[in-house]
Amino acid sequence: EVQLVETGGGLVQPGRSLKLSCVASGFTFSSYWMYWIRQAPGKGLEWVSSINTDGGSTYYPDSVKGRFTISRDNAENTVYLQMNSLRSEDTATYYCAKDLYTYYGSLFDYWGQGVMVTVSS
Amino acid sequence: DIQMTQSPSLLSASVGDRVTLSCKASQNIYKYLNWYQQKLGEAPKLLIYYTNSLQTGIPSRFSGSGSGTDYTLTISSLQPEDVATYFCQQYNSWPTFGAGTKLELK
Repeated sequence: EVQLVETGGGLVQPGRSLKLSCVASGFTFSSYWMYWIRQAPGKGLEWVSSINTDGGSTYYPDSVKGRFTISRDNAENTVYLQMNSLRSEDTATYYCAKDLYTYYGSLFDYWGQGVMVTVSS
Repeated sequence: DIQMTQSPSLLSASVGDRVTLSCKASQNIYKYLNWYQQKLGEAPKLLIYYTNSLQTGIPSRFSGSGSGTDYTLTISSLQPEDVATYFCQQYNSWPTFGAGTKLELK
């Protein structure tokens, strides 16, 4: 059974940093692209970052580029999201997700339960 | 960025109704369109990918269609467990989502 479990959320002041983790199980982690997607309270979904299978290629939308860094440890079946210079508009539930295919697709077939990040003074 | 517009934002229907949800892209997305279902307090679930491919384990009452900029999710006979918010997502370029259609029972 595929499982994705996110941890690391919480309340953080504007300008500070936070690192999220997502531990995967039930599939060959190193064969799949992984993603972070967020959802502000009561709002829609926003893609936040992508990472390829070996971690050598990463992608971000302009809204987080230069502030967020995605990485992965295939030995630990874990994907991370380092979030720096946090802003109030980063407040959201953050989900990690895997791709349906073993190549880049941006089809999110399994999602974690989500972790809440609140940026407030 | 490709903008995705869903309509309606809120839909009320009765059990057994045929329900149609719409999603319009700001440019041609060549059928690179997925649909997700999100129930209250849960993570989204992939229902349909590449416009009309049913994800494993999803009931056959769900179906998708469309091309170019216009896409549709259809529920052939609404069931109580289908109450949820439905999001479309394009992946012709960097992924973007629609704002969602909230489906409730009448």
